[in-house]
Amino acid sequence: RKEVEQDPGPFNVPEGATVAFNCTYSNSASQSFFWYRQDCRKEPKLLMSVYSSGNEDGRFTAQLNRASQYISLLIRDSKLSDSATYLCVVNMGGNAGNNRKLIWGLGTSLAVNP
Amino acid sequence: EAQVTQNPRYLITVTGKKLTVTCSQNMNHEYMSWYRQDPGLGLRQIYYSMNVEVTDKGDVPEGYKVSRKEKRNFPLILESPSPNQTSLYFCASQNHYRGNEQFFGPGTRLTVL
Repeated sequence: RKEVEQDPGPFNVPEGATVAFNCTYSNSASQSFFWYRQDCRKEPKLLMSVYSSGNEDGRFTAQLNRASQYISLLIRDSKLSDSATYLCVVNMGGNAGNNRKLIWGLGTSLAVNP
Repeated sequence: EAQVTQNPRYLITVTGKKLTVTCSQNMNHEYMSWYRQDPGLGLRQIYYSMNVEVTDKGDVPEGYKVSRKEKRNFPLILESPSPNQTSLYFCASQNHYRGNEQFFGPGTRLTVL
């Protein structure tokens, strides 16, 4: 089983739609969780961190379910500019060994259509 | 402005010709990484550095070297590049005071002929 798994998509949605992505992780000791956004051939950029209590940033909502070991990202009122690949990222936390290493999913591709 | 810079952005070279990709960050981060990104394989860590003079292998270190003589710089060295090292390379630095949020350079697209 991969450490971090995502549905690769592509998700094709019309403007204004609500779309949700899930991501599962295998290591129950994981401490930090993130969603990154990557535009084609550009560097990944942090979209949002995912907190235990869930968090919202405008049209974006992230949630963490530790019991089932998954995180989710919900995008409401999709815009054309939301078209990108969304990367799920997990970190063990702590300073021992390479615990600062981020474990990356392969990404979910989103295309928002006019 | 907080940033990670990489150079060159694009490079076409031939097999066996040594090259260095530079990386510099101005955020005083201790932890830095090099990744390569290939279609279907995602981001794979090549090498990482926990601090000055502390480097270690990531998941795909073969054919690469790094050094960390200063906190801000973390160059990636390909002593004898081969075509299977054609890839998109990213340098990143990490803020472990903010849950290990990672900042990336703009990427270097390398083609080895």
